[in-house]
Amino acid sequence: EDQVTQSPEALRLQEGESSSLNCSYTVSGLRGLFWYRQDPGKGPEFLFTLYSAGEEKEKERLKATLTKKESFLHITAPKPEDSATYLCAVQAGIQGAQKLVFGQGTRLTINP
Amino acid sequence: GAGVSQSPRYKVAKRGQDVALRCDPISGHVSLFWYQQALGQGPEFLTYFQNEAQLDKSGLPSDRFFAERPEGSVSTLKIQRTQQEDSAVYLCASSLVVGGKLFFGSGTQLSVL
Repeated sequence: EDQVTQSPEALRLQEGESSSLNCSYTVSGLRGLFWYRQDPGKGPEFLFTLYSAGEEKEKERLKATLTKKESFLHITAPKPEDSATYLCAVQAGIQGAQKLVFGQGTRLTINP
Repeated sequence: GAGVSQSPRYKVAKRGQDVALRCDPISGHVSLFWYQQALGQGPEFLTYFQNEAQLDKSGLPSDRFFAERPEGSVSTLKIQRTQQEDSAVYLCASSLVVGGKLFFGSGTQLSVL
């Protein structure tokens, strides 16, 4: 069974204090790893897709990286508006299987 | 509309009642998903449609859960004889093409008393 585990469950940072969120996965045949941001009362919002080990993607203060066992979401010099829950998800298995398996999320709070 | 629209936004049901949750995907989007999100957890897959065809319903927790998308656009998730454990946020998502970027709605928060 495909499993995704995120750590830490919650993280508080001061504005400008860089850190990383971890997503560990155990799947049969990874086809894609996804990062989403979710604000309270809203649905998840797409951030990145990574397809193979060694791949990196960046968007503003966020950078996602991928290895064969885990992914990291690095946040550099965060601002209060980066506060949200960050979700990691994998798509795996046979070609054509479209579902995503999500981790439980990391709740990030950036204090001004 | 500009995004995925779900209604109602909130639904309170008495245990044993039937409920119907509606999803209006972005116009022209081929793929449509339903996910269930318990408080403090990540979304869990329920079912997947490609146009009007329900290609994967492996995540539906019991035969009380039923989803349809008869004309390949609007979808309805129906839960019969609701139980307290059905209380959760039900999220709908759509993508333009198969395997494309998912756009989520804001969800329907279902509370079963």
